[in-house]
Amino acid sequence: LAKTTQPISMDSYEGQEVNITCSHNNIATNDYITWYQQFPSQGPRFIIQGYKTKVTNEVASLFIPADRKSSTLSLPRVSLSDTAVYYCLVGAAFNKFYFGSGTKLNVKP
Amino acid sequence: NAGVTQTPKFQVLKTGQSMTLQCAQDMNHNSMYWYRQDPGMGLRLIYYSASEGTTDKGEVPNGYNVSRLNKREFSLRLESAAPSQTSVYFCASSEEGERAGELFFGEGSRLTVL
Repeated sequence: LAKTTQPISMDSYEGQEVNITCSHNNIATNDYITWYQQFPSQGPRFIIQGYKTKVTNEVASLFIPADRKSSTLSLPRVSLSDTAVYYCLVGAAFNKFYFGSGTKLNVKP
Repeated sequence: NAGVTQTPKFQVLKTGQSMTLQCAQDMNHNSMYWYRQDPGMGLRLIYYSASEGTTDKGEVPNGYNVSRLNKREFSLRLESAAPSQTSVYFCASSEEGERAGELFFGEGSRLTVL
């Protein structure tokens, strides 16, 4: 029932910029796009949310094209501590939010 | 500010036993969720509650019941535990409006059914 599709895994090296893309072809007009980070043995943690165009905060940027059928989470200059699973969700208020399988990011030294 | 609190953190049950996982949030959120996460997998929605007194099934509701008696608390009950219910259970809550997608999670409850 997950409304999103992401790559299963990605590898990167410390200091690189990492872009993780999520496909959500059936996104509804009132849906927002939200990204989460999850470390082993912890609950997911909110990273960033957007509706359209570009959103930036202190840890990441979110790029959303005009058709909103996909989104890209950008992590600048990753470090070993960014090794985690990243999930994108779409939905709106009073929705049931479904997590897909996520993208396992492995940052190498 | 505790956020979302889950109890117990760890539990071992025998097949057929029952138990209730408790969840409480102090952020005045209307929406609350129960998810389960099996090893190496993503989270799967068990039940959702949009407000006090209302609940709705998620992806994997079979074998579970929930109760939302007040705004703060949302409990998950296993009436007759099965080994397939061995998992980590996460409770979450969120507000309405533009920030509805920002879910706040508890630390998880690790359940083993023998």
